[in-house]
Amino acid sequence: QVQLMESGGGVVQPGRSLRLSCEASGFTLRTYAMHWVRQIPGKRLEWVAVISYDGTNKYYADSVKGRFTISRDNSKNTLYLQVNSLTIEDTAVYHCAREAVVAGARLIFDHWGQGTVVTVSS
Amino acid sequence: DIVMTQTPLSLSVTPGQPASISCKSSQSLLYSDGKTYLYWYLQKPGQSPQLLIYEVSNRFSGVPDRFSGSGSGTDFTLKISRVEAEDVGVYYCMQSVLLWTFGQGTKLEIK
Repeated sequence: QVQLMESGGGVVQPGRSLRLSCEASGFTLRTYAMHWVRQIPGKRLEWVAVISYDGTNKYYADSVKGRFTISRDNSKNTLYLQVNSLTIEDTAVYHCAREAVVAGARLIFDHWGQGTVVTVSS
Repeated sequence: DIVMTQTPLSLSVTPGQPASISCKSSQSLLYSDGKTYLYWYLQKPGQSPQLLIYEVSNRFSGVPDRFSGSGSGTDFTLKISRVEAEDVGVYYCMQSVLLWTFGQGTKLEIK
């Protein structure tokens, strides 16, 4: 079955960096656009970034533009999020999520990973 | 940015009774291809969100038919015809016409 497994989170000081990973199994990653969505504790979900199936197109939320970079290695069935210049406001659970197109319908975030926790604290 | 506003923010429902959640967008979610890109998700306690409804009114695979979505333009509704204990959690609407933005969530509890 489809599974997404994030890793790479941790506790870091403001200004530092992390590289989050999302390993996909049960499907072929290279045929799907992929997203990162974060959830700040007690608050709403916030979309972070998207990458097209082949990596040629990438878009970011204004709140992370210039600091975060989404990438993928389809040969490893893995999605990445490089997070730089972290601030306290970046503290959240980071989920990867799949976007599928089935019979002409866009199934946005049809599968989610359990998330990896990023805590930014001095 | 498109702002998504849900009401109510919480509701308590007796099992077997209906429930309804409203979601309003700050601009129309009707895209140039003729489709309306409004989605509903449920985040059960301790779990990641799961897709319930796509493109306003289509139930995702495995979603019980007691869940239904409706609406157009800027006004949308998620209805649960008969609430069950397993329906507890936070419901989110989301638009994907202009990037992706979520509503603030509606917490459903069982009386």
